[in-house]
Amino acid sequence: DADVTQTPRNRITKTGKRIMLECSQTKGHDRMYWYRQDPGLGLRLIYYSFDVKDINKGEISDGYSVSRQAQAKFSLSLESAIPNQTALYFCATSDPGQGLFEQYFGPGTRLTVT
Amino acid sequence: AQSVAQPEDQVNVAEGNPLTVKCTYSVSGNPYLFWYVQYPNRGLQFLLKYITGDNLVKGSYGFEAEFNKSQTSFHLKKPSALVSDSALYFCAVREPFSGGYNKLIFGAGTRLAVHP
Repeated sequence: DADVTQTPRNRITKTGKRIMLECSQTKGHDRMYWYRQDPGLGLRLIYYSFDVKDINKGEISDGYSVSRQAQAKFSLSLESAIPNQTALYFCATSDPGQGLFEQYFGPGTRLTVT
Repeated sequence: AQSVAQPEDQVNVAEGNPLTVKCTYSVSGNPYLFWYVQYPNRGLQFLLKYITGDNLVKGSYGFEAEFNKSQTSFHLKKPSALVSDSALYFCAVREPFSGGYNKLIFGAGTRLAVHP
């Protein structure tokens, strides 16, 4: 969905490096989410945010942190990358206040930690 | 615990034949259910949802899904498969009592392969 963008699209980094993945949206949604996708495991929630003042841990937040710089921007950081953080990462948004309970996803960032 | 199950890792269908991708759920209360499709190197695209009302819901690209409360299922269907339907499909349910956070629980995904 072109309304939710993620940068970079691909990244290779080394163990121990700090890396930031960025997400921007033009949908005007308040709720934003970060997921990781691993084969056979579906999508697992890392962090979610109601608005710029509200950040919450998801089921797999260890080793990750986030920053909600503005309504439209939600960044995910890996403080010290490790190989088992190699995965596909997705940002998503939603606006249930408008009756839109589905989430809208960015194109993903493929991260490889060597 | 709230969960979503997609019992088939892969579904193989011949082009032109009907397809079904299965999903069952376990949540308390009335479920909000969703199907998404993921094409290679793309994000998840929303296909359809069931919130309330008619048990048969129609979505994008000719897909439909049937909500069955007694069987706690929400199977994705299409009357005539296309090779271009080949992709990874995810079923999801809204986490009950997530309130304004609107969190979704995803199944593991089913890979659909449509053969010419």
